[in-house]
Amino acid sequence: AQSVTQLGSHVSVSEGALVLLRCNYSSSVPPYLFWYVQYPNQGLQLLLKYTTGATLVKGINGFEAEFKKSETSFHLTKPSAHMSDAAEYFCAVRSPGYSSASKIIFGSGTRLSIRP
Amino acid sequence: GAVVSQHPSWVICKSGTSVKIECRSLDFQATTMFWYRQFPKQSLMLMATSNEGSKATYEQGVEKDKFLINHASLTLSTLTVTSAHPEDSSFYICSAYGQGGELFFGEGSRLTVL
Repeated sequence: AQSVTQLGSHVSVSEGALVLLRCNYSSSVPPYLFWYVQYPNQGLQLLLKYTTGATLVKGINGFEAEFKKSETSFHLTKPSAHMSDAAEYFCAVRSPGYSSASKIIFGSGTRLSIRP
Repeated sequence: GAVVSQHPSWVICKSGTSVKIECRSLDFQATTMFWYRQFPKQSLMLMATSNEGSKATYEQGVEKDKFLINHASLTLSTLTVTSAHPEDSSFYICSAYGQGGELFFGEGSRLTVL
């Protein structure tokens, strides 16, 4: 069975500071990994994903994440936080390969707050 | 890009009534759609996998008679909350895979049962 753990339900950083949101996964095979962002009362938007190939993936809005197999981690970072980054962030995992029935398992989420 | 649309965005109903939420894939066909439930400040919990032309597959602990899912066409899945009660109040989100393998999410539907 696959699972994902997000450390820290709430992270607060100052505007312009580094953003680091932690995600660790558990999977018997190298999984596909995702980060999604959710703004209040909205659906989820894909920030970035890792499937195969380069372990450092870049996404939208200046975010990036690095797949580290040895640490079973996929932490999300952004060099400089903007006020508009305040939202809920979800790490997610699914089995490799593409199937229209592949389930995605979500972490518990991390709420990111930005201090002026 | 692929778009998934939900309707209604907000719905308020009286206890005991039934509410239907629609999920449409606007520019692609989806043989499979997923329904999630999200409580305030919590993660998304997969409720069921909706399969076009066949019965939905429900996750453990989800009452299939309570949450009726119908996937009648390749672009539409519906979730009906039957005999709704206040504890059914939640944010319901659907999703579907686009042709490129990316999972797209609807905007969500907030249900409030009085």
